[in-house]
Amino acid sequence: QVKLLQSGAALVKPGASVKMSCKASGYTFTDYWVSWVKQSHGKSLEWIGEIYPNSGATNFNEKFKGKATLTVDKSTSTAYMELSRLTSEDSAIYYCTRKRGYWYFDFWGPGTMVTVSS
Amino acid sequence: QITLTQQAESLWISPGERVSITCRASQSLLYTDGKHYLSWYQQRPGQTTKALIYHASVRTDGVPTRFIGSGSGTEFTLSIEHVQPEDFAIYYCLQTLKSPYTFGAGTKLELK
Repeated sequence: QVKLLQSGAALVKPGASVKMSCKASGYTFTDYWVSWVKQSHGKSLEWIGEIYPNSGATNFNEKFKGKATLTVDKSTSTAYMELSRLTSEDSAIYYCTRKRGYWYFDFWGPGTMVTVSS
Repeated sequence: QITLTQQAESLWISPGERVSITCRASQSLLYTDGKHYLSWYQQRPGQTTKALIYHASVRTDGVPTRFIGSGSGTEFTLSIEHVQPEDFAIYYCLQTLKSPYTFGAGTKLELK
């Protein structure tokens, strides 16, 4: 069965970077886009961007360009997202999701909580 | 970017009742393939986010038939018939017609 296993919670200092992972299993990793979604505390969901593991092609929400970097390791079926120059506004839960065709996000990871604090 | 408006932040209902959650888009979500790129998701504490409906009205695998998606153009509805205790959760709509993909603000079903 499809699973997306995300890395654990991170506590990081303002100005630093954090890199989180999303390990996929149960399907051919290179066949589906992986999207990343941000959920700030008590708030709605924001789409950050997506990556196609087969080619490394990416699409970003303009809001997150320069903030988020998306990469993959095909050998381990793992997607990564690095967030840079962190501020308190980046404190949130970050989800990785699998995109089914162009249609919807059919599987979600459990999320990685990032807390930015000195 | 396309804005999705879920008017109701919360809806209070009793188990067994029927409820409708609406999502309005700032432009039509109809693509040239004749499908609407609108999907619905359920978030429950301690569980992974679950996709319920895609293309506005197609249930995903394993979703109970009490979840019904409807609508077209810019107006969409997720209805839940005979609400069960496990349905008390937050529901989001999402459009994937145009980048950036955008979500509604969410509607929380609460126990009356």
